[in-house]
Amino acid sequence: EAGVTQSPRYAVLQEGQAVSFWCDPISGHDTLYWYQQPRDQGPQLLVYFRDEAVIDNSQLPSDRFSAVRPKGTNSTLKIQSAKQGDTATYLCASSLLGGKDTQYFGPGTRLLVL
Amino acid sequence: GEQVEQLPSILRVQERSSASINCTYENSASNYFPWYKQEPGENPKLIIDIRSNMERKQIQGLIVLLDKKAKRFSLHITDTQPADSAMYFCAATNTGYQNFYFGKGTSLTVIP
Repeated sequence: EAGVTQSPRYAVLQEGQAVSFWCDPISGHDTLYWYQQPRDQGPQLLVYFRDEAVIDNSQLPSDRFSAVRPKGTNSTLKIQSAKQGDTATYLCASSLLGGKDTQYFGPGTRLLVL
Repeated sequence: GEQVEQLPSILRVQERSSASINCTYENSASNYFPWYKQEPGENPKLIIDIRSNMERKQIQGLIVLLDKKAKRFSLHITDTQPADSAMYFCAATNTGYQNFYFGKGTSLTVIP
């Protein structure tokens, strides 16, 4: 079974530039999560979806970050105007059963904002 | 305050000794406690988990203990090997609401 896939694996931006991250969850997983993991810290939840609906986006910096999952499968996380403080690895995870099962993580996208 | 506190942040042990990592959580409704291992440049991988209907779980050399009254859970790695060197993260969640909180991680180094 294929795992969670993410692209790109790496991104380097100047401040003010925009970037999009893409995630393809494990087939059949109804719940999808986006995390931000700063260097040497634990993952911090940004937003999660059940099917196409946003369940919790309270930790998403809404003025610059947005996330969609229009068909309840793949998802895109976008940063409109990146800041140096956004430098981190962005992890996507998915799970079954409305989130009552184990989360499986993708390889992440490492973002460096100069 | 932190939803999940994890200690120690750095742990160095001799090969074949035991390593213990402790986590505490705030939300008494939390009922699922996974542990993840993350190697450099890799994604976190689930190594063991425990649900609130259990107090102890063991998978080979990994033991997880859960004390719901104290809101504390811990990972014990017995007979450590250099390959166990990695970052370890605990997490706590309520599977009804799925607010998933991770600890800040423990960097484990097993010295040959």
